[in-house]
Amino acid sequence: NAGVMQNPRHLVRRRGQEARLRCSPMKGHSHVYWYRQLPEEGLKFMVYLQKENIIDESGMPKERFSAEFPKEGPSILRIQQVVRGDSAAYFCASSPGQGTQYFGPGTRLTVL
Amino acid sequence: DQQVKQNSPSLSVQEGRISILNCDYTNSMFDYFLWYKKYPAEGPTFLISISSIKDKNEDGRFTVFLNKSAKHLSLHIVPSQPGDSAVYFCAASAQGGSEKLVFGKGTKLTVNP
Repeated sequence: NAGVMQNPRHLVRRRGQEARLRCSPMKGHSHVYWYRQLPEEGLKFMVYLQKENIIDESGMPKERFSAEFPKEGPSILRIQQVVRGDSAAYFCASSPGQGTQYFGPGTRLTVL
Repeated sequence: DQQVKQNSPSLSVQEGRISILNCDYTNSMFDYFLWYKKYPAEGPTFLISISSIKDKNEDGRFTVFLNKSAKHLSLHIVPSQPGDSAVYFCAASAQGGSEKLVFGKGTKLTVNP
């Protein structure tokens, strides 16, 4: 029973490029959450999605960031025109709707 | 506004002794609480949770206590083992866990052999 999968595990981008982070939830889970962890900080909520719907995007920066969870395929977190301040670990979690969220291994984004 | 606080950035205990990690919250809407363990360069691993209708939940060496009136929860690890050395995050959610998790900043636990 595979857990939450994220890829890539490491991503290096130059300022101004686009970053695409992918997340496949656990089997049977239809709820996906994205969190970001800056150095020396806890995890901060970004966005909560169900299939084809954004439920809560209150933690998403207003510009350059978007997320989707299509009917088929993984959830995608997209960051356009990356800046150095976007360098962080991005974690995806999934749940069946209530209860525990299970996390993936994360994608570590480095912006040069 | 930090809704979930872990006031001890670090804790060091001897192997075999009890580790007690503390967490305070301010939002009365939180009704589901979780503890996660995290190693460097890995994702958080779920340890144990508790609903606000309970005041204690136990799973093996791990016990979580919830004091709703004080808005305080704690994680007890007995006996502590060197492999428990990691950063522990407290998290809280509303609506039975269906909403976003709000995390504390973590406590780094070191268990010395």
